[in-house]
Amino acid sequence: GAVVSQHPSRVICKSGTSVKIECRSLDFQATTMFWYRQFPKQSLMLMATSNEGSKATYEQGVEKDKFLINHASLTLSTLTVTSAHPEDSSFYICSAGGRQVNEKLFFGSGTQLSVL
Amino acid sequence: QKEVEQNSGPLSVPEGAIASLNCTYSDRVSQSFFWYRQYSGKSPELIMSIYSNGDKEDGRFTAQLNKASQYVSLLIRDSQPSDSATYLCAVNTGGFKTIFGAGTRLFVKA
Repeated sequence: GAVVSQHPSRVICKSGTSVKIECRSLDFQATTMFWYRQFPKQSLMLMATSNEGSKATYEQGVEKDKFLINHASLTLSTLTVTSAHPEDSSFYICSAGGRQVNEKLFFGSGTQLSVL
Repeated sequence: QKEVEQNSGPLSVPEGAIASLNCTYSDRVSQSFFWYRQYSGKSPELIMSIYSNGDKEDGRFTAQLNKASQYVSLLIRDSQPSDSATYLCAVNTGGFKTIFGAGTRLFVKA
């Protein structure tokens, strides 16, 4: 399958700081990227959908000013958690899709965020 | 509200048995269906895709689709302890918008 790279895999930060997570499609053009969060033993929760060159569409209840998403190119999307708090601690996962992969979604390896 | 429903499990099967995972979806116009496997602490991995009614086999995995009943299933033959994971059913509802089920936890006993 196609490869989606996500960095960092784990980050620990102090409350109040901002954390940037990168998601890259390595061997296809990702027209659309999705960002999810997942709490232990719970299902994926879609946070937002981003299309290259346009503003992200956020799911209901997700604060767009807190979770900044940028999809500046067909291979890179970033999620910035601003002014992180302990309740933002979670597993964040990106996925990417594009015409070259026939609507299939491929996932990054995830980022475990721990806010102290 | 477009939904994808799965039994959360856990589904427990002995090693070597067939594991049967089921999924129903609400949006009749859905055309693409996927099964993902997620190990604890890891991100989902695509294992099967199916687009037309009937069965699709890939190694020990068989996906079954019945659009009239809005039903997708995944069979795992000769289950192994390494198959123990959460299996996510996913339905593409147009463009790249994919709805995920909550997942079924499978436990294969050695």
